[in-house]
Amino acid sequence: DGGITQSPKYLFRKEGQNVTLSCEQNLNHDAMYWYRQDPGQGLRLIYYSQIVNDFQKGDIAEGYSVSREKKESFPLTVTSAQKNPTAFYLCASSILQQNVYGYTFGSGTRLTVV
Amino acid sequence: AQSVAQPEDQVNVAEGNPLTVKCTYSVSGNPYLFWYVQYPNRGLQFLLKYITGDNLVKGSYGFEAEFNKSQTSFHLKKPSALVSDSALYFCAVRSYGGATNKLIFGTGTLLAVQP
Repeated sequence: DGGITQSPKYLFRKEGQNVTLSCEQNLNHDAMYWYRQDPGQGLRLIYYSQIVNDFQKGDIAEGYSVSREKKESFPLTVTSAQKNPTAFYLCASSILQQNVYGYTFGSGTRLTVV
Repeated sequence: AQSVAQPEDQVNVAEGNPLTVKCTYSVSGNPYLFWYVQYPNRGLQFLLKYITGDNLVKGSYGFEAEFNKSQTSFHLKKPSALVSDSALYFCAVRSYGGATNKLIFGTGTLLAVQP
């Protein structure tokens, strides 16, 4: 079955540590996105990529980094510069052309600072 | 600027009653409109979309939405609510022909259905 997979489901980070969240899709989608969701809040765009080896900052990119070396993969690194990383992180993908199909979302990664 | 507004943070409805979750939008060009649902600790699931054609679109789980161009609205509706409909609902819009292909999401509306 085609889909988008995020791992791990739960992740714990110590102060000052970098952690990487995985996002893989086998839908042959061009574009991929990372969102952050805080309790009771909406979605805030961190980074997005519309083509391999290219990505753009979203609204809250500070303290995060991404790469897009393969079409299927768009990992997100939460660096030590992100002072409040505890949140629910969602990855999504979409067909780029016209985007009439909207986004397909992964099941999310809950990151907690310990 | 493109935007989506969901004016209600929470909607409360009794089981069996009709429900409406409101959404208004502002885009340049023709809008593509979407509704997603999110259950606790899960990703967003697609419910329905409006691209063109009939203003009343039907989606998953008995939900429907009405596109109203003059009021720039796309309200989500269901004739009879179920307790299992309780979840967070997001409206989203994309502008066809715009400079970006990104969807713009509303802030979400929490639907609480009481037994």
